[in-house]
Amino acid sequence: QVQVVESGGGVVQPGGSLRLSCAASGFTFSYYGMFWVRQAPGQGLEWVAFIRYDGSDKYYADSVKGRFAISRDNSKNTLFLQMNSLRGDDTAVYYCAKRLLTGGFYYYMDAWGKGTTVTVSS
Amino acid sequence: EIVLTQSPATLSLSPGERATLSCRASQSISSYLGWYQQKPGQAPRLLIYDASNRATGIPARFSGSGSGTDFILTISGLEPEDFAVYYCQQRSNWPLTFGGGTKVEIK
Repeated sequence: QVQVVESGGGVVQPGGSLRLSCAASGFTFSYYGMFWVRQAPGQGLEWVAFIRYDGSDKYYADSVKGRFAISRDNSKNTLFLQMNSLRGDDTAVYYCAKRLLTGGFYYYMDAWGKGTTVTVSS
Repeated sequence: EIVLTQSPATLSLSPGERATLSCRASQSISSYLGWYQQKPGQAPRLLIYDASNRATGIPARFSGSGSGTDFILTISGLEPEDFAVYYCQQRSNWPLTFGGGTKVEIK
């Protein structure tokens, strides 16, 4: 079955860096765009970044633009999120999610991981 | 950025009752709206995409409607497992945005 599993979260000091990974299985990873979505403690959902199936296009939320970078390795069925210059308001559970369909403009998330927790604190 | 406003913030209902959740967009988004369900400690689950299309495996008691700026998610008869938080999300423009959520709680 379709599965995505995030890893790499942890506690980091303000200004630090962290790299999240997302291992995908159960579908042809190289056909699908992928998302990162985060959720601060007790808060709602915030879309963070999207990458097209082949890595040719990337989109970011304004709150992370210039600090975070999304990438993928289709040979290893893995999605990444490099997070630099981390701030306290980056503290959240980070979810990796698969795009609903391969074609068109269906930017919805139809398979989610359990998330990995990032805490930015001194 | 398109702002999505969900109402009410909390809906208190009994099992078997009908739930009506609203999502209003700050500008027209055609039918490019999805709905997600999230239970405590779990990841969200896609229920509806493009306003009215049920995602795979979603029961028929969940239905979506609307276009332009006003959208509705209806749960026709609440089951115990439906008590959760529901979010809308637009895919009309970048950045993708979510509404603030509606919590459906047991009355």
